[in-house]
Amino acid sequence: QKEVEQDPGPLSVPEGAIVSLNCTYSNSAFQYFMWYRQYSRKGPELLMYTYSSGNKEDGRFTAQVDKSSKYISLFIRDSQPSDSATYLCAMTSRGSYIPTFGRGTSLIVHP
Amino acid sequence: DADVTQTPRNRITKTGKRIMLECSQTKGHDRMYWYRQDPGLGLRLIYYSFDVKDINKGEISDGYSVSRQAQAKFSLSLESAIPNQTALYFCATSVPGSTSGSVGEQFFGPGTRLTVL
Repeated sequence: QKEVEQDPGPLSVPEGAIVSLNCTYSNSAFQYFMWYRQYSRKGPELLMYTYSSGNKEDGRFTAQVDKSSKYISLFIRDSQPSDSATYLCAMTSRGSYIPTFGRGTSLIVHP
Repeated sequence: DADVTQTPRNRITKTGKRIMLECSQTKGHDRMYWYRQDPGLGLRLIYYSFDVKDINKGEISDGYSVSRQAQAKFSLSLESAIPNQTALYFCATSVPGSTSGSVGEQFFGPGTRLTVL
């Protein structure tokens, strides 16, 4: 079993939908939780990060961490076709800072 | 200009050939990484380097070698390419975590698509 599990999708939604992307993990030492976005033929770029548990909001995006359940989520409100990309979760532990990546979820937002 | 560049962007080679992928960065970061990305498998770490004199194996280093020529340059070599090394290869840089509040965010290059026939 991989340390970080992420459903690869694809997830197809209509424009304007609320999207929920999720990862589970097994390593309780993880403390920093990140979401990267990767457009086709591009390298991943950091979208958001959170430390430990709780929520963080940035515009239409909300990152949520539940350490007790070892579960993280990324919510996208009012999804747009330009949100179509692969979303990778990543996690690091204090002192290491080398991320463990999920497999990525392919999101397609159709007009 | 891009902060992290990779050359070549696409490469087709034959089984048994030696091939080198190059990465350069202008971000001034000490830490550099090589990943490969395969459909359904995500990003897997091949090698990483925390400074010019530091080289470490990652999750899948067999069949690969690296050279850190300078702070800004990190090369990946396939000594004798085989078809299952066909993949998308990414170079990345980062600052150490906890530096000015950083969580060790990684900055990726555009990738090299390698095909081994």
